[in-house]
Amino acid sequence: GESVGLHLPTLSVQEGDNSIINCAYSNSASDYFIWYKQESGKGPQFIIDIRSNMDKRQGQRVTVLLNKTVKHLSLQIAATQPGDSAVYFCAETTGGYQKVTFGTGTKLQVIP
Amino acid sequence: DAGVTQSPTHLIKTRGQHVTLRCSPISGHKSVSWYQQVLGQGPQFIFQYYEKEERGRGNFPDRFSARQFPNYSSELNVNALLLGDSALYLCASSPGSALTGANVLTFGAGSRLTVL
Repeated sequence: GESVGLHLPTLSVQEGDNSIINCAYSNSASDYFIWYKQESGKGPQFIIDIRSNMDKRQGQRVTVLLNKTVKHLSLQIAATQPGDSAVYFCAETTGGYQKVTFGTGTKLQVIP
Repeated sequence: DAGVTQSPTHLIKTRGQHVTLRCSPISGHKSVSWYQQVLGQGPQFIFQYYEKEERGRGNFPDRFSARQFPNYSSELNVNALLLGDSALYLCASSPGSALTGANVLTFGAGSRLTVL
């Protein structure tokens, strides 16, 4: 399929290392944040979410950190695997509305 | 269980034509949202429908319209196509109207529209 990651910032990591993908969000009123993974030829896939009343949330191999002071979000992936290669988008919304605003995305390349 | 299905997967139109894109949500999901994803960018919100009513509209011209049917499937229509409408059109469904930890968006693979 066509490359979703064309012209996007790229993060290259060695298989087995940890990955950190950063995102700056724009709306100080946003209260719900989501990370999505998009593989070539597919739609975005939900990874993990966090509400603005939390600073950290952990899932399976993934952790999201939220710093509301500087409007910064990060996604940490532990023990990165080749299957983690994709474009990652942070997204924000307010009041539970489905008008989700996506960031520009980061392409993660895992080197075997 | 079938995920969100969209049709057609690819289509080519010329400027000025009209296009209809279709989406079938996951069984039991009552909310459908449409997003436009231009190559190399993140998706942009176009519409949300819940229980056949429009619940949200993004910053798109009136050439874009949508509707939701009693079976919760949805159509996105774009009139008077422009070159800039070339994009991947994504449909997402969720059980309810508001996004919560248990009510997340599930996206389809999209319809790739090319306008010549």
